[in-house]
Amino acid sequence: EAAVTQSPRNKVTVTGGNVTLSCRQTNSHNYMYWYRQDTGHGLRLIHYSYGAGNLQIGDVPDGYKATRTTQEDFFLLLELASPSQTSLYFCASSVPGQGNERLFFGHGTKLSVL
Amino acid sequence: QQKVQQSPESLSVPEGGMASLNCTSSDRNFQYFWWYRQHSGEGPKALMSIFSDGDKKEGRFTAHLNKASLHVSLHIRDSQPSDSALYFCAARGMSNYNVLYFGSGTKLTVEP
Repeated sequence: EAAVTQSPRNKVTVTGGNVTLSCRQTNSHNYMYWYRQDTGHGLRLIHYSYGAGNLQIGDVPDGYKATRTTQEDFFLLLELASPSQTSLYFCASSVPGQGNERLFFGHGTKLSVL
Repeated sequence: QQKVQQSPESLSVPEGGMASLNCTSSDRNFQYFWWYRQHSGEGPKALMSIFSDGDKKEGRFTAHLNKASLHVSLHIRDSQPSDSALYFCAARGMSNYNVLYFGSGTKLTVEP
């Protein structure tokens, strides 16, 4: 089973604070993704990347930056956190292909912005 | 508006019963459909995929796809308490194979 590890598991910050969420995959997958999960909205794509140094914009990118430093590591940055960014964040990875590839998810990071 | 819509929002079935979950897409570009399952406190895990019209069966799980109406369903027979989870429908389009769009989910509760 492919392995995706997220840290921290829980994070509390204040409005205007600076937060970095980390994700590491050891599957040699090209693609990595950041999603946020909110009740009533399901999973929404924030940013994704197909390799080190690459960044693609997802559906809900406002207020978020991301950086892919290596094949294994993908970071999500909230530079001025707001209460609307309180959410459960998931990182995922996959291989590229023709549409039939599954995503492998981490256990998630629960972020609270007070 | 979300590109993938799911119904119902929540569903309760007795142990041993049949659970039926529905999903529709508003984008004719979508050709590849997945079902993911998320147990409490965990990340989503891929359950099964369906890309062709008709039925696909994997154990107690059967997915059905109608491409003309962009309707996908998941049927779980002989439901078990361990099937209690949040189920997501997800879809990919031909314009970008590497982006997966998720619905809002159906919470399934299987009562012993």
